[in-house]
Parts: sequence; C-alpha cells; structure tokens
Amino acid sequence: DAGITQSPRHKVTETGTPVTLRCHQTENHRYMYWYRQDPGHGLRLIHYSYGVKDTDKGEVSDGYSVSRSKTEDFLLTLESATSSQTSVYFCAISVGQSFSGNTIYFGEGSWLTVV
Amino acid sequence: AQRVTQPEKLLSVFKGAPVELKCNYSYSGSPELFWYVQYSRQRLQLLLRHISRESIKGFTADLNKGETSFHLKKPFAQEEDSAMYYCALSDQNTGFQKLVFGTGTRLLVSP
Repeated sequence: DAGITQSPRHKVTETGTPVTLRCHQTENHRYMYWYRQDPGHGLRLIHYSYGVKDTDKGEVSDGYSVSRSKTEDFLLTLESATSSQTSVYFCAISVGQSFSGNTIYFGEGSWLTVV
Repeated sequence: AQRVTQPEKLLSVFKGAPVELKCNYSYSGSPELFWYVQYSRQRLQLLLRHISRESIKGFTADLNKGETSFHLKKPFAQEEDSAMYYCALSDQNTGFQKLVFGTGTRLLVSP
C-alpha cells in the first residue's frame, strides 16, 4: 500500500459546509496527488504537489484547494461543498528513483456525500 | 491533448473465455502506459506497465504505437478477475509523472 492512509474514509456533509480530506504517507515521497473518481469519467486529477508548499492545479481543480505544510501530509479542502462534489477521492503518491520509472500508488479512497 | 479511450463500459464473459479490454491513446511523445485494476470498493492497484513487459495474474498487454493501442488480454478468464479496469497514460510533458485515465471497463466473469 506504499504507506498511504486517507481520512476520513467516509463522510456525509451538508451543502455549503467546508470539508477537509487528509492524505498521510510514511515514506517521504516527493510527489502526491488528489484524484476524484466518478462513473463515466474514470479518475480525474484535482491537484498535485511536488514538495512542501509546492502545489499546482489539475484538470478539475475548481472548488478545491490543497495544502502541504509537511512532506507526509497532503490536505484537500472543499471550501463550500456542493452536491457535484459527491465522489470518491483518492490520494496517490509517486514512488521510485527515476522520472520515467516511477510508479503511482493509490490510497484506499474517501467516500464523500454532499446532501 | 493527451487522452485515453476505453470504448467498452462493460465486458461480460464466461469463465474460461478469452478476454480483451481495449485501450487507445493519443499522446504527442513517447508514451508510458499502465493498466490498473480496482476490485469492489478497494484501492486501485497497478496491474502492469508496458515498459516491464511482464505478465501479472495471466494478463498481458502490448503497446502498439502504429495503432496507438494498449489492449489488455487474458486467454482464460477467471471469476476472480471481475473488477474495474483502468488504462492510464503517464503524461511526462509537464516535467513530472501525471497519470491520465480512461473511463474504465467493468469486467464481469460469470461461472
């Protein structure tokens, strides 16, 4: 599992409330990612990080923000949750020594329902 | 733009039948391609990558640059192969590894 844990694993929240999902890794890997998984869309990249305080947007970043104050933690925040953000959220890390030979491993997912 | 296409949402076969999950891609460069598998409500697991050319759980995939395809094959399907399969391309034009996924194909193997 490459030492990735996500929390919470399941959450139900109301529209308009803020939500933060946490991804924790134990192996000090540089690259971390947040994806969302939706039927008919596969997995889409929300944000990624290439180091402490170094983050950038993915293809579906609207409505989301991220922070990485420590190597081991990558937080995803929904500032004001909407029903369209009901999804399964996966954290991932890139493991390896070389750029082209790295492998991306995924966490167990966080199921978020916005009602 | 980089894109991965999996044309089948669902593939249903009987146990022992051959399986081919289709994946086509568009990419301006030398692609690195992967297959991930997701069993019910679990994390995605790497099944195989084209540069390693290895067979995992009896699955193989060959990169065909002429047809821009990376189809996943298995000669004899097993019930435990039932899962969601995602083809993914590593977009390295950005300077770091980023996976672009297809929409996935659900494989259902019936007894």
